[in-house]
Parts: sequence; C-alpha cells; structure tokens
Amino acid sequence: QVQMVESGGGVVQPGTSLRLSCAASGFSFSSYGMHWVRQAPGKGLEWVAVIWFDGNKAYYADSVKGRFTISRDNSNNTLYLQMNSLRAEDTAVFYCAREGRSTGIFDFRGQGTLVTVSS
Amino acid sequence: IQLTQSPSSLSASVGDRVTITCQANEDIRNYLNWYQQKPGKTPKLLIYDASNLETGVPSRFSGSGSGTDFTFTISSLQPEDIATYYCQQYDYLPPYTFGQGTKLEIK
Repeated sequence: QVQMVESGGGVVQPGTSLRLSCAASGFSFSSYGMHWVRQAPGKGLEWVAVIWFDGNKAYYADSVKGRFTISRDNSNNTLYLQMNSLRAEDTAVFYCAREGRSTGIFDFRGQGTLVTVSS
Repeated sequence: IQLTQSPSSLSASVGDRVTITCQANEDIRNYLNWYQQKPGKTPKLLIYDASNLETGVPSRFSGSGSGTDFTFTISSLQPEDIATYYCQQYDYLPPYTFGQGTKLEIK
C-alpha cells in the first residue's frame, strides 16, 4: 500500500539548518509530484513547497522562499526539504504529500515530523 | 489567492445538516478541495474540484460552487465527523493555499 514516512525533525536553534526526508513506498514515486505541507501547533495547514515528478520544477510559499529547498531522489524514492535560517515561526509538524488527480490535490499518508525552533 | 472559510467553529447535533463556506478573493474556477483532519491525525481528502466525492468517502459529504464561492455540506452529522475541515485552492500554478479551518463539534 501507499506509504510515506517523514523523518529528520527535532529541536534546533534559530538560524540553524535541518533536512527533512520522506521515504515513499507502494507507488511509482518517480511519476508523482510531491509536496511539503506544515502545521504549526494548534494552527491550520500551510502549503510549503512542491516539486514536479522529474524534479525539473519547484515552487515555494512566500514564507519559505529563499530559505527552504525541496528536492528528490527518484532512484531511492525519497523526498527532501532542506531548511536553512530557521525561525521560531517555522515550528510545525511537516507532512509530505503525494499529488492526487492533479498536482494541486494532496494525498497525505504519513504522520509528519515535528520541527521545533527554539533557543 | 486567499481563502476565507466560515465559520471558524461550529457546534451541531447528530443528524443535523452542517454547512461550511469558503470564499476566494479571485476566480479559481472549480479548483477547490475539502479536507478533514481528525484530532491527532493526518488530513484526508474528502472533495476535489469543488464537487467530486473522493473514492470511499461517505455520500453524506458533498461540495458545490465555482468561481469565488464554495460550500461544503454534511447532510446528516455523525459522531465520527468530529474534526477540523479545511478548504484548499490550486488554481493553475502554486502557491496553493488553505482556508483557516472550521472546527466541528457535537452539541
């Protein structure tokens, strides 16, 4: 079955970096666009970034543009999110999601990974 | 594109008809989805492209609208429908945006 397992979260200080991973299985990873979506504690959902199935295009939310980089390794069925210059407001659970019937429809299968930015 | 979802919270009785609205600040045609997030769980797609029921989702859930005004309806509220519901738009290219969410409780 389709599975996505996020990892790499933790507690970090402001200004530092962290890389999240999402290991995918049960589907043809290289055929799907992939997203990162985050949720601050007690808050709503926020789309973060998307990468096209072949890795040739990526788009970002204004709140992370220039600080975060989405990438993928189709040979290892893994999605990444490199997060630099982290801020307290980046504290959130980060979910990876597969594109659904269209790129802008999200199929969430993982449990997310918590990133806490605190001094 | 900004989405304004209302109400932010809602209390209803089992069997009630429940309606949530989502308004976009520009025309998004029918590129509007609805998700359900139960407490401590991952979001789940219920409705895509404004009015299409995702496979396996009970028929008491429905969506309508196009352009800037959209509606999500639960025809007969069940206890297991306790959750927060989000609308989300994806008109043409990113960025994609979510509504603020509607927390639904049983009265």
